[in-house]
Amino acid sequence: DVKVTQSSRYLVKRTGEKVFLECVQDMDHENMFWYRQDPGLGLRLIYFSYDVKMKEKGDIPEGYSVSREKKERFSLILESASTNQTSMYLCASSSLGGANEKLFFGSGTQLSVL
Amino acid sequence: GQNIDQPTEMTATEGAIVQINCTYQTSGFNGLFWYQQHAGEAPTFLSYNVLDGLEEKGRFSSFLSRSKGYSYLLLKELQMKDSASYLCAVYNTDKLIFGTGTRLQVFP
Repeated sequence: DVKVTQSSRYLVKRTGEKVFLECVQDMDHENMFWYRQDPGLGLRLIYFSYDVKMKEKGDIPEGYSVSREKKERFSLILESASTNQTSMYLCASSSLGGANEKLFFGSGTQLSVL
Repeated sequence: GQNIDQPTEMTATEGAIVQINCTYQTSGFNGLFWYQQHAGEAPTFLSYNVLDGLEEKGRFSSFLSRSKGYSYLLLKELQMKDSASYLCAVYNTDKLIFGTGTRLQVFP
């Protein structure tokens, strides 16, 4: 079974803390994505990567950074967590086939920033 | 701007048919996806349309009209396990843009 694994299901952090969200996929996919999902707003793309050490800003990159040192791992970093970053974070991956390539999602990390 | 609209909530009865609509206005179009997401779980792929017409896959079908910027997901013979959110997503020039999702509740 193909798998996208996110390191934590629930996370509680304090304002100002540095937060790392880890994502690992076992499908040898080139593309990896980080989304956040908020009620009434749907999934919004934060960052994505098409290759190792490569990253592109999505629609809402402010306050976030990413790291892709290995093909299978894509990390989302909140440099200084704020309460408006409380959200469900979803990692996804896809192969490099083109626009018709479906995304495989992880189960998500529910982050609460207090 | 980019805009994808779908109803927020729908209800239906077990065994019935339900149609979930999605309209979109995007600067580019390279296909439209439907994903299913059960509460607390990851979204999973349902269908992909890039050409006009109907794609059928078991109890689920998806329709696309590019000229109208319109798609629908048709669910037949509804089952309780179909209670979930259904996400419409358009592949714009280089990435997927998601709608806010339609929460479907199926009642016995």
